[in-house]
Amino acid sequence: SQQGEEDPQALSIQEGENATMNCSYKTSINNLQWYRQNSGRGLVHLILIRSNEREKHSGRLRVTLDTSKKSSSLLITASRAADTASYFCATPIQGAQKLVFGQGTRLTINP
Amino acid sequence: DTAVSQTPKYLVTQMGNDKSIKCEQNLGHDTMYWYKQDSKKFLKIMFSYNNKELIINETVPNRFSPKSPDKAHLNLHINSLELGDSAVYFCASSQVTDSPLHFGNGTRLTVT
Repeated sequence: SQQGEEDPQALSIQEGENATMNCSYKTSINNLQWYRQNSGRGLVHLILIRSNEREKHSGRLRVTLDTSKKSSSLLITASRAADTASYFCATPIQGAQKLVFGQGTRLTINP
Repeated sequence: DTAVSQTPKYLVTQMGNDKSIKCEQNLGHDTMYWYKQDSKKFLKIMFSYNNKELIINETVPNRFSPKSPDKAHLNLHINSLELGDSAVYFCASSQVTDSPLHFGNGTRLTVT
């Protein structure tokens, strides 16, 4: 079964608005990663948050992690048309040496 | 200066054929992976190699055979292709197994 699940599956907002995507996972983790995938391209790593961190920022991105609820959120502020993409959370499965991805949130930014 | 490159980008073939996808990374990473992304964008790990040794084989049919001639290359050979093999296949690499992955741009395989 999937380790991470994103919510919502699709999100459409106006340029300039903020976009929030959520990720829930099932097992204990030592980090959680967010990736972006533009249409027809490979995934690109955005940000990694460790299990002992609660919040992390990178430019217009803000990631939070709540290990008690086994959830994370990705906030993109002041969205731009170029942010249109699918966003995935991923967690390493401890002991299994693999990174497992959720099904992604498809974000559309309308000009 | 491409970090992870895979070829070909598109592959259209008939059922029953055998095909290969090649992957190379110039990042000096020790671990390489093959992932399969289906039409619903679900990304599932197939194999991972660490320093040319297989460490994960995620219950993939044995028609799929990865080969790692050195730690910078991980190729995927698929025998007797089936319609259900149609998907986008991504190669990726990482320094260690829980560090960020660097992905290639994918190979879209269509089996007719």
